[in-house]
Amino acid sequence: DGGITQSPKYLFRKEGQNVTLSCEQNLNHDAMYWYRQDPGQGLRLIYYSQIVNDFQKGDIAEGYSVSREKKESFPLTVTSAQKNPTAFYLCASRRPSGANVLTFGAGSRLTVL
Amino acid sequence: GQQVMQIPQYQHVQEGEDFTTYCNSSTTLSNIQWYKQRPGGHPVFLIQLVKSGEVKKQKRLTFQFGEAKKNSSLHITATQTTDVGTYFCAGPLRENDMRFGAGTRLTVKP
Repeated sequence: DGGITQSPKYLFRKEGQNVTLSCEQNLNHDAMYWYRQDPGQGLRLIYYSQIVNDFQKGDIAEGYSVSREKKESFPLTVTSAQKNPTAFYLCASRRPSGANVLTFGAGSRLTVL
Repeated sequence: GQQVMQIPQYQHVQEGEDFTTYCNSSTTLSNIQWYKQRPGGHPVFLIQLVKSGEVKKQKRLTFQFGEAKKNSSLHITATQTTDVGTYFCAGPLRENDMRFGAGTRLTVKP
C-alpha cells in the first residue's frame, strides 16, 4: 500500500541533543511537509519542499533543519537550538499539481527530558 | 501575512445535536480543505472546495465555501460519537504552502 512512514513513533531526548525524525513516502509525491502540533493546538508549518534539493522555511523553522536528497525522503532534525522541542511532529506529502490535498504520516511524538 | 483562523476552539454537544465550525482567511483562497484528526491520530483529508459559494455534502457533513472565497464552514447534522475529533480547515498561502487553522475539537456525549 502507498503511504507515508514516520519513525520513530515515540522518541525521548535529553536537553542539548540533536535528533532526526524520519519521513519516507512511496506515493511519488513531489511536495513534502513538516508540521508541529502542540497539545490542543493546530498544525504549524516548519519546513516544506517542492522538489528534490529544494526546501523553504515555514513559520517556525528556527531550531530545525531538513534535507531533501531523494524524492521519497524528507528527514527533519530537531537541533539543540530549538528551545521547546517537545511536541507531536507530522510529516505530509502533497499530490501532484491539480490538488493541494495532503496525506499525513502517523506522526512522531518527541519528548525532551 | 496570511492567517487562517478557526472558531470555536472547543465544542461539546449531546449526541444528536448539530455542530458547526467556521474558518476565516485574511486573504482570498484559491481553495480550502477540511481535515479530521481523531484523538491520538493524524489528520485525514475530508474534502476540498474550490469554487466561490460551493456547497458539498458527505452524508451528515455539509461544507460551504464563501462567495468571497475567504471563509468556510463545516456543519454536522445529528452528531454521533464517531464524529469525535478535531476538525481543521487549511488553505494555501502560496502554491505548496498549506496553512492550517487552529482546529475545533468536538466531543460528543452519548
